[in-house]
Amino acid sequence: DAGVTQSPTHLIKTRGQHVTLRCSPISGHKSVSWYQQVLGQGPQFIFQYYEKEERGRGNFPDRFSARQFPNYSSELNVNALLLGDSALYLCASSLVLGARGPEAFFGQGTRLTVV
Amino acid sequence: AQRVTQPEKLLSVFKGAPVELKCNYSYSGSPELFWYVQYSRQRLQLLLRHISRESIKGFTADLNKGETSFHLKKPFAQEEDSAMYYCALSGRNQFYFGTGTSLTVIP
Repeated sequence: DAGVTQSPTHLIKTRGQHVTLRCSPISGHKSVSWYQQVLGQGPQFIFQYYEKEERGRGNFPDRFSARQFPNYSSELNVNALLLGDSALYLCASSLVLGARGPEAFFGQGTRLTVV
Repeated sequence: AQRVTQPEKLLSVFKGAPVELKCNYSYSGSPELFWYVQYSRQRLQLLLRHISRESIKGFTADLNKGETSFHLKKPFAQEEDSAMYYCALSGRNQFYFGTGTSLTVIP
């Protein structure tokens, strides 16, 4: 079992550019969540998707968007990149979506550097 | 506002000593609380969750709704417990993580 996989592992972009990050969940997992982790901070929740629909959104600007595909993989898109978007972006997958917070399995993350 | 607070960024204890990592939360409703751990060069992984009331790797955590706390405890620290620990809260399809506590167990 490969676990949650994210691509690319590292990325360097210029201010104003657009970036797409990808995540493949564990086989059978239908829920994917995205987090931003700035150095020295805990992960900040961005989005949660379940069955291709957005089910939760954190306090991030509209420059951040995401989608989930029929195979449950997901993309996180960030437009008009700012220097402050430099961070580790984590994807997590879980089997189901539930009010009781199912266990989430995390990927290794994508390190985004904006210059 | 929803918030998870971990007051200690760094914590060092000697091997065999008790360890307690503090976590306080602010949430209007009935949250679910978790502890996640990240060992060196490994991905973030679930350590335990309050709803299951398990003891994992000797760690326990009790949810105290009166004090809005979910402290992580272990009676005898081991060197392999050295890691980054994050307290997290889940509610209304949102997740909130604390800033983390880096635990070092001194041989």
